[in-house]
Amino acid sequence: QKEVEQDPGPLSVPEGAIVSLNCTYSNSAFQYFMWYRQYSRKGPELLMYTYSSGNKEDGRFTAQVDKSSKYISLFIRDSQPSDSATYLCAMSEDYGGSQGNLIFGKGTKLSVKP
Amino acid sequence: ETGVTQTPRHLVMGMTNKKSLKCEQHLGHNAMYWYKQSAKKPLELMFVYSLEERVENNSVPSRFSPECPNSSHLFLHLHTLQPEDSALYLCASSQDRTRPYTQYFGPGTRLTVL
Repeated sequence: QKEVEQDPGPLSVPEGAIVSLNCTYSNSAFQYFMWYRQYSRKGPELLMYTYSSGNKEDGRFTAQVDKSSKYISLFIRDSQPSDSATYLCAMSEDYGGSQGNLIFGKGTKLSVKP
Repeated sequence: ETGVTQTPRHLVMGMTNKKSLKCEQHLGHNAMYWYKQSAKKPLELMFVYSLEERVENNSVPSRFSPECPNSSHLFLHLHTLQPEDSALYLCASSQDRTRPYTQYFGPGTRLTVL
């Protein structure tokens, strides 16, 4: 069983829509949950991270973690064409050393149409 | 120059060539990473350096040889590669290994092996 599952899409939505992206995982020791955005021909850039369970909001972006279900989500409100990118989830355990390595999902490709 | 830079951005090489990828970080970080990103696969961690010491090698073939001469520079030396090694190679850095959520990525080198 893969450690982190993420639907690769592609996902196409109209401008202004609410977008929901999600990942599931199997390792109950994960404590850090990250969302990266990767534009074409660029490296991933960190959008948000959450420690343990709960919600975190930053502008139009909201990250949610449900550790009981081993499920994380990223919501994008009022989506814009500039949000078109691949979104990667990543997770890690809470210790230094190997346990701190990031485990990534495959990424979901999002397209927001004007 | 800020953040994490990588050169060259694109590289085409034959199976018998020897080439090197270069990464430089301007963030004062103490840990550096090499990742491989292939289509339809999650990012794969290849090597980790902490304070210029290699602390992890994730079963990477010996045709990939990393070098970290100081905390700001990281190289990946390539020789006798295979076509399946064609991918985007990403460098990242973080403050230290205990804070994985501080990883910043470079733009990557797109490698094509003929």
